[in-house]
Amino acid sequence: AQSVSQHNHHVILSEAASLELGCNYSYGGTVNLFWYVQYPGQHLQLLLKYFSGDPLVKGIKGFEAEFIKSKFSFNLRKPSVQWSDTAEYFCAGNTGGFKTIFGAGTRLFVKA
Amino acid sequence: DAGVIQSPRHEVTEMGQEVTLRCKPISGHDYLFWYRQTMMRGLELLIYFNNNVPIDDSGMPEDRFSAKMPNASFSTLKIQPSEPRDSAVYFCASSSGPLVGGDTGELFFGEGSRLTVL
Repeated sequence: AQSVSQHNHHVILSEAASLELGCNYSYGGTVNLFWYVQYPGQHLQLLLKYFSGDPLVKGIKGFEAEFIKSKFSFNLRKPSVQWSDTAEYFCAGNTGGFKTIFGAGTRLFVKA
Repeated sequence: DAGVIQSPRHEVTEMGQEVTLRCKPISGHDYLFWYRQTMMRGLELLIYFNNNVPIDDSGMPEDRFSAKMPNASFSTLKIQPSEPRDSAVYFCASSSGPLVGGDTGELFFGEGSRLTVL
């Protein structure tokens, strides 16, 4: 069955620390992958997406993610987090249609 | 520009009551989605529409749940009768449709309706 799994449910970091959130998917064939973010009290919004081409994808606010097909992974990274990055992060994927499956989410808390 | 608008933001009801959640997608978006978020199961896709027609309702948990999209600017998700296990945040999202090269584009989410069934 198609699925998206996120390894960490809660992450606590200090400001300026580096961030990497894990995401693995279990799709065969063509896959579109996304990272969404939900800031406290706000709606989910797109951080970045991959559908083809360069496997290193850059998104908003300094985030990037790397699609590694051999590892079925799409990990999210940021070299130096800020307090304002405190949010819940969702990895998601689909196989070219609109049936997008979301991971369970990772709650990131950045200490000032 | 107005985003996806959901109402109510919060609903508290008693078991057995009917619940209706409403969604207004972004104007011009052809796709509308209903998701449910719980601690145990994360974000689950319940149903999605294309041009007001339900395309995939395989995520609707049981017959107590129904969704309609009578026109391009309005959709409802109804639970009748409601049960405590239906307590969750229900999100509506819309999208403008497939882009070139197989890119399905971005989902635009509403702020959610938090349902508590006592």
